[in-house]
Amino acid sequence: TQLLEQSPQFLSIQEGENLTVYCNSSSVFSSLQWYRQEPGEGPVLLVTVVTGGEVKKLKRLTFQFGDARKDSSLHITAAQPGDTGLYLCAGAEVNAGNMLTFGGGTRLMVKP
Amino acid sequence: DAGVTQSPTHLIKTRGQHVTLRCSPISGHKSVSWYQQVLGQGPQFIFQYYEKEERGRGNFPDRFSARQFPNYSSELNVNALLLGDSALYLCASSLGAGYNSPLHFGNGTRLTVT
Repeated sequence: TQLLEQSPQFLSIQEGENLTVYCNSSSVFSSLQWYRQEPGEGPVLLVTVVTGGEVKKLKRLTFQFGDARKDSSLHITAAQPGDTGLYLCAGAEVNAGNMLTFGGGTRLMVKP
Repeated sequence: DAGVTQSPTHLIKTRGQHVTLRCSPISGHKSVSWYQQVLGQGPQFIFQYYEKEERGRGNFPDRFSARQFPNYSSELNVNALLLGDSALYLCASSLGAGYNSPLHFGNGTRLTVT
């Protein structure tokens, strides 16, 4: 079973600050997805990256897939209180379709 | 369009009992997956069904079983409940089962085993 390690586990920052969340594995993934989960709700897909070195931007969020497709990062610029939530990375193992392995999550709190 | 719907939203059971959780996928989606999310952790894969066939099974005991019906809805059954089965059970649907077919999650069923 492949493992995805996310860091940091918890992050508390002030509004306007920048932050980066990391997702690392020793194994290769066909694709990697980032989700955000609010309390009492299911995860909501933010982005899917499939090509090594790929960078995708979603407003203030920038996602990067490592060249070797083993790691990924999520960078948030000028964080806002509305960004508060649990951020999860999830990888699809090679030949496993969309059966996902999730990281442990990063709980982000942005204080006004 | 309705998203993935799960029922019930909350459930309290006693150790040793049996539970059935239900999931209705987004219309047109043919794949349903089940995940267990223990408090403070990321979701863990339990089962995936595509076109009513089991496509994959995670590292869970045989007490866990599932099925997909002709209308693509799904049930997750857990027998002989243990305290450690307390978790949020998430259902996700997707158009297909390929790596580029994104999952759409429901809001889960919160199961508490006492």
